[in-house]
Amino acid sequence: AQSVSQHNHHVILSEAASLELGCNYSYGGTVNLFWYVQYPGQHLQLLLKYFSGDPLVKGIKGFEAEFIKSKFSFNLRKPSVQWSDTAEYFCAVNAGDKLIFGTGTRLQVFP
Amino acid sequence: DAGVIQSPRHEVTEMGQEVTLRCKPISGHNSLFWYRQTMMRGLELLIYFNNNVPIDDSGMPEDRFSAKMPNASFSTLKIQPSEPRDSAVYFCASSWTSGRNEQYFGPGTRLTVT
Repeated sequence: AQSVSQHNHHVILSEAASLELGCNYSYGGTVNLFWYVQYPGQHLQLLLKYFSGDPLVKGIKGFEAEFIKSKFSFNLRKPSVQWSDTAEYFCAVNAGDKLIFGTGTRLQVFP
Repeated sequence: DAGVIQSPRHEVTEMGQEVTLRCKPISGHNSLFWYRQTMMRGLELLIYFNNNVPIDDSGMPEDRFSAKMPNASFSTLKIQPSEPRDSAVYFCASSWTSGRNEQYFGPGTRLTVT
């Protein structure tokens, strides 16, 4: 069965620190991968997505993610976080028409 | 585009009452998804529709939950009777059918059952 694992449940950083959030998936077919962000009290919004081609994907707000097929991973990175990046981050993989979401990682950034 | 529209944004009701949540997907999208989000369980897919037809309702927790999509621009999620453990944020999302297409989420309905 398809699944997504996000091992970091809660990450606390100071502003300007670098960020890497882990995401591993289990899916036998061609994968399409997504990272969503949910700011406090808001709905999920797309950060970036990978379908094919360059495994390094750039998204909004300075985020990027790297697809490593051999590791079944799609980790999210940002070189320097800001207080406004405080949010919950969800990794997702397609399973047919559905998206399978990870359990999310809560990021807190302190000034 | 107005995005996915959900109503009401907040609902407070007493246990045993019927609750109806509404969703208007983005025009042109032909897939619609209902999710529930809680602290304990995270984000759960309840049901999804393709071209107004329910495809997978395996996430619907109990028979108290039902969902309909009478046309391409409207869907409802009904809970009857409601229970305190149904308290959650319910999101509706829509997309073009295809695993390559991202889902667009509505603002959610925060349901509190007392």
